[in-house]
Amino acid sequence: DGGITQSPKYLFRKEGQNVTLSCEQNLNHDAMYWYRQDPGQGLRLIYYSQIVNDFQKGDIAEGYSVSREKKESFPLTVTSAQKNPTAFYLCASSGQGRTSGAYEQYFGPGTRLTVT
Amino acid sequence: QKEVEQNSGPLSVPEGAIASLNCTYSDRVSQSFFWYRQYSGKSPELIMSIYSNGDKEDGRFTAQLNKASQYVSLLIRDSQPSDSATYLCAVISYQAGTALIFGKGTTLSVSS
Repeated sequence: DGGITQSPKYLFRKEGQNVTLSCEQNLNHDAMYWYRQDPGQGLRLIYYSQIVNDFQKGDIAEGYSVSREKKESFPLTVTSAQKNPTAFYLCASSGQGRTSGAYEQYFGPGTRLTVT
Repeated sequence: QKEVEQNSGPLSVPEGAIASLNCTYSDRVSQSFFWYRQYSGKSPELIMSIYSNGDKEDGRFTAQLNKASQYVSLLIRDSQPSDSATYLCAVISYQAGTALIFGKGTTLSVSS
């Protein structure tokens, strides 16, 4: 069954440490995205990638880095430069819908990161 | 800055009633619109997409689009307690590939 997986589900880190969040999809989608969600806020775009070996900054890229070496994978690193890293991180991919054939974007289950 | 606006709610309706959720967007060139449902602590789940003016129905859900008024809505008929969630409206950015711009969401509470 096709889908998007993210790991781990919960992650706890000390301030000053870098941490990498995993995102894998088997939907054969070219485009992948990372969003961040804070309580009471909508989703904000961190990075996106329209194709392998290419990615672009979103609205809040400072303190984050990504790579896109394989179509299936789009890991996100939260660096120590990110001022407020505690948040719910959501990975998504997009392409033709599973039933409609129209463009659709799907989300993974998310990683909840807590930095103390 | 392109924006998507939603009333935060909470919107409270009794079981069996029609819930109406509204969304406005600022970019006139937007062509693709989406509604996601997000249960507390979970990731968003796509429930409806709409691309043309008018209504699109899928089961108990109807999405309505009016591009002239830059307005999109979601109606949920025969609301159930299991529909209690936050509903996110989204449009394609086009400034960031096909990434989506999201509203902050409307919280719906259906009482039994």
